Amino acid sequence: DTTVKQNPRYKLARVGKPVNLICSQTMNHDTMYWYQKKPNQAPKLLLFYYDKILNREADTFEKFQSSRPNNSFCSLYIGSAGLEYSAMYLCASSRVRVDAEQFFGPGTRLTVL
Amino acid sequence: AQSVTQPDARVTVSEGASLQLRCKYSYSATPYLFWYVQYPRQGLQLLLKYYSGDPVVQGVNGFEAEFSKSNSSFHLRKASVHWSDSAVYFCAVSITGYQNFYFGKGTSLTVIP
Repeated sequence: DTTVKQNPRYKLARVGKPVNLICSQTMNHDTMYWYQKKPNQAPKLLLFYYDKILNREADTFEKFQSSRPNNSFCSLYIGSAGLEYSAMYLCASSRVRVDAEQFFGPGTRLTVL
Repeated sequence: AQSVTQPDARVTVSEGASLQLRCKYSYSATPYLFWYVQYPRQGLQLLLKYYSGDPVVQGVNGFEAEFSKSNSSFHLRKASVHWSDSAVYFCAVSITGYQNFYFGKGTSLTVIP
C-alpha cells in the first residue's frame, strides 16, 4: 500500500480557532512532510519530520506546529487560524535516500472564515 | 534567490500533438530535479527524476525530460498526448535529493479530444 491518507479532506474553521490536520502512511517512511498550496502558487514546504526530528522552514517557524507520535502519523497544528491560512495542505512521506520518491496524500482543503 | 520557474500557467493542446512543458531553476549548484503530476482529486505523483548521467530521462506514460546545465532547465516532453494527460504538472528541485523539496507553481495542461 503506497497511499498517504489525510483527514479530514475538507475543514472549515473560524478565525482565531485552532486547527489540527492529520496524515498517515503505512510504508514505514522515515520522513513526513507538510506543504501549503494556495491557488496559483507553488506548493510551499512548511516543515518535515525526519524520524522524531522536526525541521521547520524559517518563515513558517512560528505559524505551524507539528507532532509525530509514531512512525505512521503526523499532524499539523495551527494554534489560531487566520484568513491567510486558507489553503490546501498536502502531506507527503519518503525514505531518506537520494533516489527516494515522495508519496503525496490528496490534501486537506482548509477554509478559514 | 533560489527559485523554480514554470513560465506557462496553462497549456492547451490537441490529442495526438506533441507537448513540452518548461521548467527553469535558479540554484547555486546543480540540484536534483523532478516532475510531478496531479490528476483531479488526487495527490501529486512522481513522473520522473534526474540525478546525474544521461540528461534525457524517461518517466511513466511516455513522458521524458531533458536536463540542460547551461540553460538551468529541465523541460518535460511527450511525443503524443492523450486526453487522460490533462492534469497539473509540477517541476521540483532538491539540493539534497531528499527532504528539502521546492516546487514551481505548476502548469495546468488541457488536452482537447
